[in-house]
Amino acid sequence: EVQLVESGGGLVQPGRSLRLSCAASGFTFDDYAMHWVRQAPGKGLEWVSGISWNSGSIGYADSVKGRFTISRDNAKNSLYLQMNSLRAEDTALYYCAKAYHDYDSSGYYYFLFDYWGQGTLVTVSS
Amino acid sequence: SSELTQDPAVSVALGQTVRITCQGDSLRSYYASWYQQKPGQAPVLVIYGKNNRPSGIPDRFSGSSSGNTASLTITGAQAEDEADYYCNSRDSSGNHLNVVFGGGTKLTVL
Repeated sequence: EVQLVESGGGLVQPGRSLRLSCAASGFTFDDYAMHWVRQAPGKGLEWVSGISWNSGSIGYADSVKGRFTISRDNAKNSLYLQMNSLRAEDTALYYCAKAYHDYDSSGYYYFLFDYWGQGTLVTVSS
Repeated sequence: SSELTQDPAVSVALGQTVRITCQGDSLRSYYASWYQQKPGQAPVLVIYGKNNRPSGIPDRFSGSSSGNTASLTITGAQAEDEADYYCNSRDSSGNHLNVVFGGGTKLTVL
């Protein structure tokens, strides 16, 4: 059974830092890209960052670029998100998600998040 | 980056058919995936690729795509289908890891 368990959330003051972790189990962790997706209270889903299986490729949303750093440790089956210079607008439930992508028989690319954790809440407030 | 646009809210009578749409330039090149999210729960994948359902997703859920628009259709909507629905796709930035979500559609089953 695939499990993704996030931790590290909490209340933090603006401008401070926080590090989120995601412990993965039930699949071959180093075969898949992993992502962070967040959801502000009462709002929609927002992609935050993604990292390839070997950390060779990384992407960030414009809203967090330069402040957040994604990383992974395949030996520990773990995904991380280092969040610096936190702002009130970073307040959200942060989900860890397992990604999959492929091409169909017509050559069209498809992408999906097939498993999600339950999230860890980050509140940025003074 | 790119954007995906969804209608904020849609309603359907119990047992009827409803279509939820998602528009965006990236959908001309990439398929959308669709997620169902109920209050207090993590999102669940319901449709991906051309029209594929993960194991356990009822066959009343289906997907289609034309031009810059992807659609999620629920044929014979049930009360338990009341939820928020989000589309998602790779964006057009050139980085295969960069993805984007639509703003979500709140489905009410009357």
